[in-house]
Amino acid sequence: GENVEQHPSTLSVQEGDSAVIKCTYSDSASNYFPWYKQELGKRPQLIIDIRSNVGEKKDQRIAVTLNKTAKHFSLHITETQPEDSAVYFCAATGFQKLVFGTGTRLLVSP
Amino acid sequence: KAGVTQTPRYLIKTRGQQVTLSCSPISGHRSVSWYQQTPGQGLQFLFEYFSETQRNKGNFPGRFSGRQFSNSRSEMNVSTLELGDSALYLCASGTSGRWDTQYFGPGTRLTVL
Repeated sequence: GENVEQHPSTLSVQEGDSAVIKCTYSDSASNYFPWYKQELGKRPQLIIDIRSNVGEKKDQRIAVTLNKTAKHFSLHITETQPEDSAVYFCAATGFQKLVFGTGTRLLVSP
Repeated sequence: KAGVTQTPRYLIKTRGQQVTLSCSPISGHRSVSWYQQTPGQGLQFLFEYFSETQRNKGNFPGRFSGRQFSNSRSEMNVSTLELGDSALYLCASGTSGRWDTQYFGPGTRLTVL
């Protein structure tokens, strides 16, 4: 079945720096890759997603890139702010179900 | 539109008991998926329902079951609770396509003593 690996598990940056989180997936048939942000005690919130027919997608300070050949996709956050501090999960479709990575705890220090 | 709602929000049970959790999807959404979230295992897929039919199932024992009603509301049941079932149970709803955007509910925090 599908397996999604996510790195790093924790990431500490200074306010204003960029943050990059990387995920790899195993099922070459996967075609949908969402990213979720989960703040402490809250539900996961979709922040951006990308489909396999697109290589890159941007939404203000957030961007996601997809390399289907290498089977990896990345989340890029520019000009980080303290409110970006949260756990971020990547996910990929695998055999008709969504498989999540293990999460990255991002800490943005003022 | 109102978001995904889950009841109850918190639940404390003892080993051997059973529990039923409820999820109401966003109006118009026909797909409901359930996930178990634990610190050690992350988000694990339990099952997905679409139009009252289980469309997919994760790797959980038969003690975990679910169903979906004609109004798309879904319930999941865990029988013979074990300590390891303590977790946050999240449901997510989507429209109709396979793996369109999913929106999560606030979760039910289950503690098994």
